[in-house]
Amino acid sequence: QSALTQPPSASGSPGQSVTISCTGTSSDVGGYKRVSWYQHHPGKAPKLMIYEVTKRPSGVPDRFSGSKSGNTASLTVSGLQADDEADYYCMSYAGSNNFVFGGGTKLTVL
Amino acid sequence: QLQLQESGPGLVKPSETLSLTCTVSGGSISNSTCYWGWIRQPPGKGLQWIGSIYYSGSTTYYNPSLRSRVSISVDTSKNQFSLQLRSVTAADTSVYYCARHLSWYEFAYWGQGSLVTVSS
Repeated sequence: QSALTQPPSASGSPGQSVTISCTGTSSDVGGYKRVSWYQHHPGKAPKLMIYEVTKRPSGVPDRFSGSKSGNTASLTVSGLQADDEADYYCMSYAGSNNFVFGGGTKLTVL
Repeated sequence: QLQLQESGPGLVKPSETLSLTCTVSGGSISNSTCYWGWIRQPPGKGLQWIGSIYYSGSTTYYNPSLRSRVSISVDTSKNQFSLQLRSVTAADTSVYYCARHLSWYEFAYWGQGSLVTVSS
């Protein structure tokens, strides 16, 4: 199972919006509405930000949103804040009770 | 608030077995009716799902690429679940995370991770 493809880095200025892509195949991202996104500040526990492509867990600001088109899912962070600077990982269900993650994107707030 | 904490040796010799335990606090595994899992991250690389176990221990699922070497178990009396990875090599050097599923398809709560280095 190949990892999902994410850009290694993304950046934006405070207040701006940035979108991170996550590209897979029809066997994972494209085949299921089961994409989730995680925020990871190094040394801390990763945090679930988006699940089932578009849903936000309680407590996650609505500045974070998710979408999917074909084999590519996206995470958009609007109104960038300094604390949004972190690594972001996507994950997709890949069928047969298996999961695949992306390689991660380092988001820098300029 | 549910908290998870990984523990175990930070150094394992090649060909030996890596063993880690995840201790859950702020909630009971036996009352959870959900899955608990392990994920790892090699240095400089992305995350990899290792496997997950149902709270009762009745069902386990493993990453096909690791299935022949992995075992996950649960001890509800201690509110812990554990990972064993056999016949390790340097490629198994990673930060290992334990986590609780939200539904089957995502992870709601994670530990902070435990670095395990495989080296003689």
